[in-house]
Amino acid sequence: EAAVTQSPRNKVTVTGGNVTLSCRQTNSHNYMYWYRQDTGHGLRLIHYSYGAGNLQIGDVPDGYKATRTTQEDFFLLLELASPSQTSLYFCASSGGGAEQFFGPGTRLTVL
Amino acid sequence: QQQVRQSPQSLTVWEGETAILNCSYENSAFDYFPWYQQFPGEGPALLIAIRSVSDKKEDGRFTIFFNKREKKLSLHITDSQPGDSATYFCAASGLSGGSNYKLTFGKGTLLTVTP
Repeated sequence: EAAVTQSPRNKVTVTGGNVTLSCRQTNSHNYMYWYRQDTGHGLRLIHYSYGAGNLQIGDVPDGYKATRTTQEDFFLLLELASPSQTSLYFCASSGGGAEQFFGPGTRLTVL
Repeated sequence: QQQVRQSPQSLTVWEGETAILNCSYENSAFDYFPWYQQFPGEGPALLIAIRSVSDKKEDGRFTIFFNKREKKLSLHITDSQPGDSATYFCAASGLSGGSNYKLTFGKGTLLTVTP
């Protein structure tokens, strides 16, 4: 079964802080995704990638950067964190079919 | 613009009853509709999915009914169990179009099954 891990699981930072969320998948999947989940909004796609060095813009990209360093690793960067970015972040991977496999999530709080 | 809508926001049923979760969409290019189940503290996981060429997909107690003309679908959970208590997300993708591999999610329905 697909294995997607995220770190850290919880993160607290201050407004203006610099945060990096990490995601690793061990399934040789080409596609990786970053979502944020907020009450009343469901899951919203931030960025995604179909391979190392590739980056595609999602539906809510403002304030976020992402980088895919290897097939396994996908990072989400918040360079000037704001309270509006307080959220639950999920990483997912896909082998090219439509099913996506999600990680356990990272809860980020921006004070 | 919300492309995938779900109702109700929350639903409570008794154990053994059938829970019905509704979903509608706007984009005619969508042709793949997965439902994801999420338990507290976990990431969503694929529960069941249907393609637009079918009008029904069944997997045990879970059934999707799909109406392409009305752009509506529903998830029926028969003989609901307390372990089914979770948030259910309807999603959509256009596999045959330019939005391959992107899923658009609804806001979710929180299901509570009372013993």
